Amino acid sequence: EDQVTQSPEALRLQEGESSSLNCSYTVSGLRGLFWYRQDPGKGPEFLFTLYSAGEEKEKERLKATLTKKESFLHITAPKPEDSATYLCAVQAYNQGGKLIFGQGTELSVKP
Amino acid sequence: NAGVTQTPKFQVLKTGQSMTLQCAQDMNHEYMSWYRQDPGMGLRLIHYSVGAGITDQGEVPNGYNVSRSTTEDFPLRLLSAAPSQTSVYFCASSPYPIPSNYGYTFGSGTRLTVV
Repeated sequence: EDQVTQSPEALRLQEGESSSLNCSYTVSGLRGLFWYRQDPGKGPEFLFTLYSAGEEKEKERLKATLTKKESFLHITAPKPEDSATYLCAVQAYNQGGKLIFGQGTELSVKP
Repeated sequence: NAGVTQTPKFQVLKTGQSMTLQCAQDMNHEYMSWYRQDPGMGLRLIHYSVGAGITDQGEVPNGYNVSRSTTEDFPLRLLSAAPSQTSVYFCASSPYPIPSNYGYTFGSGTRLTVV
């Protein structure tokens, strides 16, 4: 069964304190792995797509990496405006575009 | 450019009532989908469409109907609301149902409560 597990469920950081969020997945034929950011009361906002093991992508203070079993979202020197829930999702072949989401990591960055 | 627009933002229904959640996109995307988000469950796919006139079931389709008469609109109908359908509903669209460097664009959601 295709599955995505994110850890930790919640993470509290001080401003400037770098850390990583984990996304472990099992899928029969990975077509792509996505990272989204979701603010309270809003829809998910796209961050990255990763396609194959070894790939890395960066955007401002965020860097996403991918291995054959997991992905990491590294947050370097976070700011309070980085506070949000970060969602990981995978898409498999022959699934009609279906995204399988993890439960998310709620990140809080205190000044 | 409005992106994906969902209406209403909030709705309270009584058990057994029916209603339609609206979703419209102005990006000429072929692929549209509906997800529900529940605490501790993550987002789950309800129905999706790969183009006008073509729809298919997702992971949790029971109790919901969809149709796609135009590229822009993809309404979700609740036939007879049940408390288990209390959730936040998101519509998402994409040029194609395959991964891309643009991802899926999500609407801001409809928060539905069934009493």
